[in-house]
Amino acid sequence: ETGVTQTPRHLVMGMTNKKSLKCEQHLGHNAMYWYKQSAKKPLELMFVYSLEERVENNSVPSRFSPECPNSSHLFLHLHTLQPEDSALYLCASRRLAGGVYEQFFGPGTRLTVL
Amino acid sequence: AQKITQTQPGMFVQEKEAVTLDCTYDTSDPSYGLFWYKQPSSGEMIFLIYQGSYDQQNATEGRYSLNFQKARKSANLVISASQLGDSAMYFCAMRTRVGNQFYFGTGTSLTVIP
Repeated sequence: ETGVTQTPRHLVMGMTNKKSLKCEQHLGHNAMYWYKQSAKKPLELMFVYSLEERVENNSVPSRFSPECPNSSHLFLHLHTLQPEDSALYLCASRRLAGGVYEQFFGPGTRLTVL
Repeated sequence: AQKITQTQPGMFVQEKEAVTLDCTYDTSDPSYGLFWYKQPSSGEMIFLIYQGSYDQQNATEGRYSLNFQKARKSANLVISASQLGDSAMYFCAMRTRVGNQFYFGTGTSLTVIP
């Protein structure tokens, strides 16, 4: 276990639903990431938060809305998603140790949009 | 238990030299895939190379090759003729067939020295 938890682990939602993914870490890390892993596609960076401020928004559609209320929690709010948004959504947190960065990934939320 | 282990948080290599980034994995699933990603300072994840558990030959992609030793459960990345642009974080990842799960290592920070 990496110490990064994600809930729920599996989510099925309709295109008109609103849901949220949650990521949590109590490792003292101050940067957190959302990634999207689609079938047969490389891992895509979605959002980066550093010290609770968004520092990266990689041209992600507005139907994905991140929120970082504090350094331990990261949310991804979902609304009016499309079937092509079905994927594994991975959260990661980053720490600086010994002058180098390490990223710790959560187990992911497998999202299916019907 | 950690599924993917990268034991080198930071590595240095002289320009034009070859470097090996270590990765060991743990799974009881007979069918799995191994990936290497490069993450420059911009944060995006760049897919480098893939090795399937049943592949007979080691994967190669340009200057990247994967030294796959199945019995030892290792999947080391070899970068030949290092370039300054190779300086980045490198992540080893595994996808298991059972549960279709992804596991990532904590990354290795590679610095190429002129």
